Amino acid sequence: DVKVTQSSRYLVKRTGEKVFLECVQDMDHENMFWYRQDPGLGLRLIYFSYDVKMKEKGDIPEGYSVSREKKERFSLILESASTNQTSMYLCASSPGGEQYFGPGTRLTVT
Amino acid sequence: AQKVTQAQTEISVVEKEDVTLDCVYETRDTTYYLFWYKQPPSGELVFLIRRNSFDEQNEISGRYSWNFQKSTSSFNFTITASQVVDSAVYFCALSERETSYDKVIFGPGTSLSVIP
Repeated sequence: DVKVTQSSRYLVKRTGEKVFLECVQDMDHENMFWYRQDPGLGLRLIYFSYDVKMKEKGDIPEGYSVSREKKERFSLILESASTNQTSMYLCASSPGGEQYFGPGTRLTVT
Repeated sequence: AQKVTQAQTEISVVEKEDVTLDCVYETRDTTYYLFWYKQPPSGELVFLIRRNSFDEQNEISGRYSWNFQKSTSSFNFTITASQVVDSAVYFCALSERETSYDKVIFGPGTSLSVIP
């Protein structure tokens, strides 16, 4: 079974803090993705990576950065958290085609 | 332009009823994939099925079945004899090959409530 894990299920941070969300997959997938999910807006792609040290912007990259130093790990970084980044963050990995998701991190920025 | 429409925002059924979730897609490409995902209240999206554009065979997996019709650009999902555990948000998705990865467009989701 594909396993995608995320470092936290729930996270509360203050405005201006630097936030790291970690994602690890154990299936040797080339592709990894970060989405955010908000009511009424569906899933929106923030960043993705198709290889180690490679990254590409998705639809809403502003305010975020990513890091992929190892194939199995893809990190999402909020350089200076803001209240409008309160959301559910979903990580996914893919061999090409279907994506396998982690359990999500519900981030609240106060 | 790519687009996935799930016209049903919310559906409620009584346990043991059959229910069909509709999905209509738009794409310019002749080669593409379609998917269904389930998101239960716990929040984790679970991959259910993938269908490529060249394979119009319907598929059945237990109580789940999928009807792919290219002529109407639809990929509908039917749950037979629904159960409370089927309560979830279901997403239909479409992917096309971009330069370096498969770009996936998710539909807005249909929230299914199965009432005991």
